[in-house]
Amino acid sequence: QQQVKQSPQSLIVQKGGISIINCAYENTAFDYFPWYQQFPGKGPALLIAIRPDVSEKKEGRFTISFNKSAKQFSLHIMDSQPGDSATYFCAAPQGNTDKLIFGTGTRLQVFP
Amino acid sequence: DSGVTQTPKHLITATGQRVTLRCSPRSGDLSVYWYQQSLDQGLQFLIQYYNGEERAKGNILERFSAQQFPDLHSELNLSSLELGDSALYFCASSGSQGGTDTQYFGPGTRLTVL
Repeated sequence: QQQVKQSPQSLIVQKGGISIINCAYENTAFDYFPWYQQFPGKGPALLIAIRPDVSEKKEGRFTISFNKSAKQFSLHIMDSQPGDSATYFCAAPQGNTDKLIFGTGTRLQVFP
Repeated sequence: DSGVTQTPKHLITATGQRVTLRCSPRSGDLSVYWYQQSLDQGLQFLIQYYNGEERAKGNILERFSAQQFPDLHSELNLSSLELGDSALYFCASSGSQGGTDTQYFGPGTRLTVL
């Protein structure tokens, strides 16, 4: 089964720093790459998504960068805050289906 | 609050038993997805229903089954439970049958098999 490879598994960042999480996917026929944010004890929630007619999408402090030729996309969190401490999942469509495959998650901890 | 509800929140049972998890999608959403999240694991897609019909299947075990009822709520049935089935089970819903539509997740059911 196709996979979405996400790294790092965990990330510790100081308040105000930049958090960067990377994902690599395999061939897909659908261009839709979301990031989900999950706080402890809660279900994941859509944070930001990109449909790559553009190579970058920014929403506030969160930016997705997309490299179609490399089959990679990343999440950048600028000015990271303790409230951003959560687990982040990337996802990509599998093969020629629109079924999303999720990465294994990155646990982000932002310290004051 | 995503608008997706799941019951029960917690479930403790023994090996060999059978349990049913319930999900009510957001109002108006026709698609329901089920995911399993084990410790230190990502979200493993189990199955999707759209308007009562099975639409996509992931790595769902034969011991597991699901259905979506006419009122669009869904149930995931887990039988002959094993210790390894202990996990968080999430339900998500979306407005369309397409997997690239935003999925709204419920709060999950934590299943513990002893």
